[in-house]
Formats: sequence, C-alpha cells, structure tokens
Amino acid sequence: QQQVKQSPQSLIVQKGGISIINCAYENTAFDYFPWYQQFPGKGPALLIAIRPDVSEKKEGRFTISFNKSAKQFSLHIMDSQPGDSATYFCAAKGMDSSYKLIFGSGTRLLVRP
Amino acid sequence: EAQVTQNPRYLITVTGKKLTVTCSQNMNHEYMSWYRQDPGLGLRQIYYSMNVEVTDKGDVPEGYKVSRKEKRNFPLILESPSPNQTSLYFCASSLLGLAGEAETQYFGPGTRLLVL
Repeated sequence: QQQVKQSPQSLIVQKGGISIINCAYENTAFDYFPWYQQFPGKGPALLIAIRPDVSEKKEGRFTISFNKSAKQFSLHIMDSQPGDSATYFCAAKGMDSSYKLIFGSGTRLLVRP
Repeated sequence: EAQVTQNPRYLITVTGKKLTVTCSQNMNHEYMSWYRQDPGLGLRQIYYSMNVEVTDKGDVPEGYKVSRKEKRNFPLILESPSPNQTSLYFCASSLLGLAGEAETQYFGPGTRLLVL
C-alpha cells in the first residue's frame, strides 16, 4: 500500500559529486513533501521540505525539485561530502490528513572521499 | 536540551513476554507517534496521539497498544510479542499548527527490538 516510491535503494557518489534521489507519489492530494536524513544509530531528522506551489527549494547544498504534473520530487545534494553519508527518506502529507506522513522506503547514500 | 527519549535502546525478548517501550518528549508537543522501520519498507506508522487521552491507529497497529495519560509520555506496549515484531522502533513528536497539522516531526534515537 506504499504511496510514495523512492529510488534508488542505495547510491554511491564520489566526494564533490551530485547525489540525486527520486520519489514519486500517487495521491494528488498531498500538500507537503519533506525529506528526512538519518545517520546510523540515530533517529531521522528533517532536512528540507517543499509545498506543491513551488517547483524548487534550495537550502545550502540541498535542493528539492518538484514536478507537480509528473507527481515526482527529488533531492539533489551538490558537492556531496563524506559527512552526507546517511539514509534519506522522502515523505508526503495528505491534505485530508493533517498529521499523517507517508514515508518512502529510504535511500542509503555513501559518499566516498 | 529539546529532545525525544526512548527506553530501552536495545531489547531482546522471547515470544509472548509483555514489554513496554517508553517515549518521552520535553518540548510540550501535542502530537506523538510511533513508527517501525524495516529494510526496504521505510517508516510505517503504528499509532499516533493528537493529545492526552486521544490516540488512533496508524498503518500497522496489529499487536501493539499505546496510551497517552500525560502530554510528555507515549509508551508503546507489546502485550504478546511475536518474531514478526522484530524491528527498529521510533517515537516522534510534533507541535500542531493552527490548522491542526503536524509537519516537522522530531524523532527519538530508536529502540532495536529482537523477539526470539
């Protein structure tokens, strides 16, 4: 019953490269799309989020690109660093459910020095 | 320090032996939730609570119970654990916005449970 599909499952990038993680959703009634970052042994933490009224949001080296017509959104990490190595989860919140986040399956990112 | 705490962090138990995982937050958040994290499945919501004495089922509530007697605490109870409940569990909390939305969720460090 997964409504948010995330890819790839794992990703290896060289230091300084661009990491790209993609998510696709089915429910057009989602109105909030956050990305969470999880380091080993820690709980997820909010990294960046976007609403469907904008196509892009940038915070430092992290950018969300949002394509409403394709029902897709992606996380771009520019100049990837070894410290970015973590698991990343996309999520979506429905307009009809003000409190429920639907999470993707996660992407394990490894940035090689 | 604002945080969500969980105890224990690691737990090994046997089938059928009741257990409780505690969760506490010091941010005066109304909303609290329990998730389980399994490889390839991401985070799935077990139960959530909008406020004291208000709880509701998430996507995978079978085999779990919760209670919210105080605003800061939201324990997860497994009355008769089974091996398929072996997982990594996270508690989260959030403020509720003016429209009742709970968007930025703060997660605890996780509890790794093994049921033999």
